Amino acid sequence: GENVGLHLPTLSVQEGDNSIINCAYSNSASDYFIWYKQESGKGPQFIIDIRSNMDKRQGQRVTVLLNKTVKHLSLQIAATQPGDSAVYFCAEKKNFGNEKLTFGTGTRLTIIP
Amino acid sequence: EPEVTQTPSHQVTQMGQEVILRCVPISNHLYFYWYRQILGQKVEFLVSFYNNEISEKSEIFDDQFSVERPDGSNFTLKIRSTKLEDSAMYFCASVGRSEAFFGQGTRLTVV
Repeated sequence: GENVGLHLPTLSVQEGDNSIINCAYSNSASDYFIWYKQESGKGPQFIIDIRSNMDKRQGQRVTVLLNKTVKHLSLQIAATQPGDSAVYFCAEKKNFGNEKLTFGTGTRLTIIP
Repeated sequence: EPEVTQTPSHQVTQMGQEVILRCVPISNHLYFYWYRQILGQKVEFLVSFYNNEISEKSEIFDDQFSVERPDGSNFTLKIRSTKLEDSAMYFCASVGRSEAFFGQGTRLTVV
């Protein structure tokens, strides 16, 4: 069946260092991938997205890499800050439109001051 | 910045009781969703809603669940007879073109 999952459940990074969060998916029909950040007691917050016709997309301090050959997605956060501490989820859907999102299990990122 | 709002933020109910969770999506959005997140687990899709009808639902969304948009602004999720395992965070989301905007969630506790 469809599976979107994360390799590591927790990650601790020193403040100022870069972090990389990984995600594997198994549905080769997925066309659109999104990273969400979820702070305690809040809903998922959009960080960055990427379509399957791209392999890299950059935002402010964040970069998403997509490797469709091995069905792997990663989120790189540069120069981490205490406010980056949260749970990060990858999510996928079959197209760019209004289909449902399928979420991975999440990685808890802790920034050590 | 437009946002999705949900009420209540926390609901405690006795097993077997009915609950209604409310959401006000972003005003020009047309697609609406309910997701749930059991504590410490991933976010799971429940149902999607478009043009005043359900467009897709998951196996979690059984006969005990229903959704409606009674007045063109609110989007509600009703659980008719709550079970202990319904305890979770329930998130509403709305979509304009592609990006899903999530509300802050309702924490439902069934006792």
